[in-house]
Amino acid sequence: NAGVTQTPKFQVLKTGQSMTLQCAQDMNHNSMYWYRQDPGMGLRLIYYSASEGTTDKGEVPNGYNVSRLNKREFSLRLESAAPSQTSVYFCASSEEWADGYTFGSGTRLTVV
Amino acid sequence: KQEVTQIPAALSVPEGENLVLNCSFTDSAIYNLQWFRQDPGKGLTSLLLIQSSQREQTSGRLNASLDKSSGRSTLYIAASQPGDSATYLCAVNGGGFKTIFGAGTRLFVKA
Repeated sequence: NAGVTQTPKFQVLKTGQSMTLQCAQDMNHNSMYWYRQDPGMGLRLIYYSASEGTTDKGEVPNGYNVSRLNKREFSLRLESAAPSQTSVYFCASSEEWADGYTFGSGTRLTVV
Repeated sequence: KQEVTQIPAALSVPEGENLVLNCSFTDSAIYNLQWFRQDPGKGLTSLLLIQSSQREQTSGRLNASLDKSSGRSTLYIAASQPGDSATYLCAVNGGGFKTIFGAGTRLFVKA
């Protein structure tokens, strides 16, 4: 029972490089989310996908793009990484917006 | 704009003590509230989900209460154990997809 799987777990990028964070869930959930977590702050929503084929901006979308590839997969792309994007990134899913969230184990990203 | 506050930021207690973690929110028009546990370097594990129509939820040694009118939720942990050491976060859903998280309370239970 995998739940939400994120890859990679760790990544170091140089400023200006690009990369894609992958997320997949096996619970047949409709909604998926990308959050970032920074020290001393709560999780902040980057983007979300209410259902397959739709994506919307969250609180801090600048510098990111997302793709809801199918019902299972929701990827987050950094086109030109900046040191301010150093953070821990979490993917989550829920059956619908009103339901509880299930989180992945996170990706720790460092941009130098 | 909804704001979620968790005080204290850190708490240290001896093993066996009953303890209460606090979560405050500024807008009482919420749909549900969820408590999570986060171990160092790990993801968030859901503990309890309280719907706005509920007053409390219980799971084992954990009990979460919700008072919308006062903008507060508490997580009660009975007979704390060293294995309870973690960061506890609350998250408020005011309707829709934009759940707001508190910064968490880091709990350390001393053996």
